[in-house]
Amino acid sequence: EAGVAQSPRYKIIEKRQSVAFWCNPISGHATLYWYQQILGQGPKLLIQFQNNGVVDDSQLPKDRFSAERLKGVDSTLKIQPAKLEDSAVYLCASSLPGWGILGSPLHFGNGTRLTVT
Amino acid sequence: QKEVEQNSGPLSVPEGAIASLNCTYSDRGSQSFFWYRQYSGKSPELIMSIYSNGDKEDGRFTAQLNKASQYVSLLIRDSQPSDSATYLCAVVDNYGQNFVFGPGTRLSVLP
Repeated sequence: EAGVAQSPRYKIIEKRQSVAFWCNPISGHATLYWYQQILGQGPKLLIQFQNNGVVDDSQLPKDRFSAERLKGVDSTLKIQPAKLEDSAVYLCASSLPGWGILGSPLHFGNGTRLTVT
Repeated sequence: QKEVEQNSGPLSVPEGAIASLNCTYSDRGSQSFFWYRQYSGKSPELIMSIYSNGDKEDGRFTAQLNKASQYVSLLIRDSQPSDSATYLCAVVDNYGQNFVFGPGTRLSVLP
């Protein structure tokens, strides 16, 4: 089974520039997540999709971050304009639907390490 | 705001010892709990899931859940230097969808 694919692996940009990340989930996984992980911290949810609908984007800084999941498969996360504090690893994860009130495990991609200078 | 708390560590144990990692959570309605291991520079990988009160064993790993105390733990028996990593506790809400991660506990197993 192919895992969650993400690209690019690394990105260095200057502040106020824009950047985009791409994610392809595991085949058949309807739920897709984007997490931001700052060094030394746990992953923080940015946005969660169920198929191509948004389930939770309450922690997404919508003035600069946007995400879409067209056709319920691939997803892109964009930052425009970037700030220094956006330097982090951006993790994409996918999962099968849960079982009622029980959650199905997340499977993570390798992440994109973003450095904003 | 739903919270998941872990001791940040580092937790240092000698090789062959038992490592005990703890996690507490604020959402009493949570039903699903996961432990992930994250090596430096790598993405999190699933170790175990636990849904019911009590213990669940998988090889050298044992997860323990006490919903009344809102507490979940991970025991690693016969710790190896290769177990040195950050261990993330993840708690899922009672809709089975919203994963909240703790800050992670850094474990160092000394040869």
